[in-house]
Amino acid sequence: EAGVVQSPRYKIIEKKQPVAFWCNPISGHNTLYWYLQNLGQGPELLIRYENEEAVDDSQLPKDRFSAERLKGVDSTLKIQPAELGDSAVYLCASSLGGGELFFGEGSRLTVL
Amino acid sequence: TQLLEQSPQFLSIQEGENLTVYCNSSSVFSSLQWYRQEPGEGPVLLVTVVTGGEVKKLKRLTFQFGDARKDSSLHITAAQPGDTGLYLCAGDPFGNYKLTFGKGTLLTVNP
Repeated sequence: EAGVVQSPRYKIIEKKQPVAFWCNPISGHNTLYWYLQNLGQGPELLIRYENEEAVDDSQLPKDRFSAERLKGVDSTLKIQPAELGDSAVYLCASSLGGGELFFGEGSRLTVL
Repeated sequence: TQLLEQSPQFLSIQEGENLTVYCNSSSVFSSLQWYRQEPGEGPVLLVTVVTGGEVKKLKRLTFQFGDARKDSSLHITAAQPGDTGLYLCAGDPFGNYKLTFGKGTLLTVNP
């Protein structure tokens, strides 16, 4: 069974440019999470979806970050415009009913 | 203030040594999870502890949940280079599926 798939694995952009990350969760997993992980830190939740509904986006910086999960499957996380401080790894995870989280390999963003 | 405090932050040991890492909080958790994250990968769940005082063993790894369900420890016996990675504890203190992670312990096992 395929795990959580994320793309791109790496992205280098200049500040003020937009960037988007894509996540395909494990088939059948209704809960999808986007986490941000800075170097040497633990993951921090940005947003959690139950099916297509964003049930917790309290940590998402809504002035520049947006996310969507159309049809309750794949999800996209967008940053526009990107700032230097956004350089980090963006992790997507999925779970079945809030149980064990299965993480993707992450998308490493570098903003120059 | 970090909800989950992990210590030590860094640990470098020789192959064959034993080690213990800790995860502490002032909050009570219904359960705590331990994940291991290798470079360039996402975290992978090792174990979930749910009962105060519970001890779980996974080969050379022993996990313990404190009696008051506020802390947990991970003990590794005879560490191997393959144990190298970032060990993260995580919990959901409010029961709303908002899993909070500690900063992790970065373990390096040298051959």
